[in-house]
Amino acid sequence: GNSVTQMEGPVTLSEEAFLTINCTYTATGYPSLFWYVQYPGEGLQLLLKATKADDKGSNKGFEATYRKETTSFHLEKGSVQVSDSAVYFCALSIAGANSKLTFGKGITLSVRP
Amino acid sequence: GAGVSQSPRYKVAKRGQDVALRCDPISGHVSLFWYQQALGQGPEFLTYFQNEAQLDKSGLPSDRFFAERPEGSVSTLKIQRTQQEDSAVYLCASSVSSGTSSYEQYFGPGTRLTVT
Repeated sequence: GNSVTQMEGPVTLSEEAFLTINCTYTATGYPSLFWYVQYPGEGLQLLLKATKADDKGSNKGFEATYRKETTSFHLEKGSVQVSDSAVYFCALSIAGANSKLTFGKGITLSVRP
Repeated sequence: GAGVSQSPRYKVAKRGQDVALRCDPISGHVSLFWYQQALGQGPEFLTYFQNEAQLDKSGLPSDRFFAERPEGSVSTLKIQRTQQEDSAVYLCASSVSSGTSSYEQYFGPGTRLTVT
């Protein structure tokens, strides 16, 4: 089956620190990969995506590269802000009759001033 | 424009009661998904509609769970004889197309169900 594994959290960083959140996956088929973010009191929203190997998704200073050889899609940001405090979910989907998302457990990021 | 809306936002039910959760997807979106998110976990797939057709209900945890989308727009997730393990946030998502995994799913704010 399909699964997504995220590093254990929570993560607490100081403002302007470098962020890496690890994500690895197993999939039957060729997945598209996503990072979703859930800010406090808000719904899930797409942060970035990549649909094929070596693609890099980027948004709001965050980046993630689809690495097929290591089945990974790690999220990075060079300088985090307090406003980045949220829960981050890695997810995958397989094209077909049902493009449902399979999510990781999520990780809580807290950025302190 | 308007996003995905869900109602009610919060629901408290006594064990054994039936509940109905509503989802209004983005107008014109073909695909509609329901997910269940337990506390501290990622969302888990429940069921999928393409227009009014329920094409996948493999994630529904028991026959107490039932979903419909009769006119291909609004969807209702019904849980009969609620149990404490049904306590979770129920998320609805819609997407402009079907079968293509790269299309973004837009999520509603969720309904938090607490069964006492």
